[in-house]
Amino acid sequence: NAGVTQTPKFQVLKTGQSMTLQCAQDMNHNSMYWYRQDPGMGLRLIYYSASEGTTDKGEVPNGYNVSRLNKREFSLRLESAAPSQTSVYFCASSETSGRINEQFFGPGTRLTVL
Amino acid sequence: GNSVTQMEGPVTLSEEAFLTINCTYTATGYPSLFWYVQYPGEGLQLLLKATKADDKGSNKGFEATYRKETTSFHLEKGSVQVSDSAVYFCALIRGAGSYQLTFGKGTKLSVIP
Repeated sequence: NAGVTQTPKFQVLKTGQSMTLQCAQDMNHNSMYWYRQDPGMGLRLIYYSASEGTTDKGEVPNGYNVSRLNKREFSLRLESAAPSQTSVYFCASSETSGRINEQFFGPGTRLTVL
Repeated sequence: GNSVTQMEGPVTLSEEAFLTINCTYTATGYPSLFWYVQYPGEGLQLLLKATKADDKGSNKGFEATYRKETTSFHLEKGSVQVSDSAVYFCALIRGAGSYQLTFGKGTKLSVIP
């Protein structure tokens, strides 16, 4: 049982390049999330998918797109990377929403945009 | 809107010292409260949680009590170990139907032998 897995672990891009971050979970969770972590900022939600077939914007969605490919997989795409998107990206999943919503996190992708 | 404020770090303690990391929150309704821990090079792991006022969450010797009157959820441990060195995040989620965790900025703890 691997939990939440993310690929790649590290990536360096040049400004304007595109890339897709992959995330998969094997816990049969309904909901999945993408966060970014910046120094001194905590984690901020980019997008989430409450269930297969749905996606919604979080706190900082600009410059990103997402795809909920199936129940297991949730990808994050940067169409034209900018230096401001240099960050550590975490994917998470949870069984449900609300007060008992425990989110399980992947190990992260460290992205640098030059 | 919702917000979480944590004490700024870094915090450096000697092994077996007492730990307190302060956390206060602002939220409408009755949020659930969490402490997550991030070890170096890893993702976040849930440490403990509390879903209603006066609940005490506990795990691995850590405790935190949901205080609605002071809107606080302070993390405590009686005797820290070197292996507790990590970044600790306080977080909240609003009630039913909510998906977004709101995080504090994190507090880095270093425990020295």
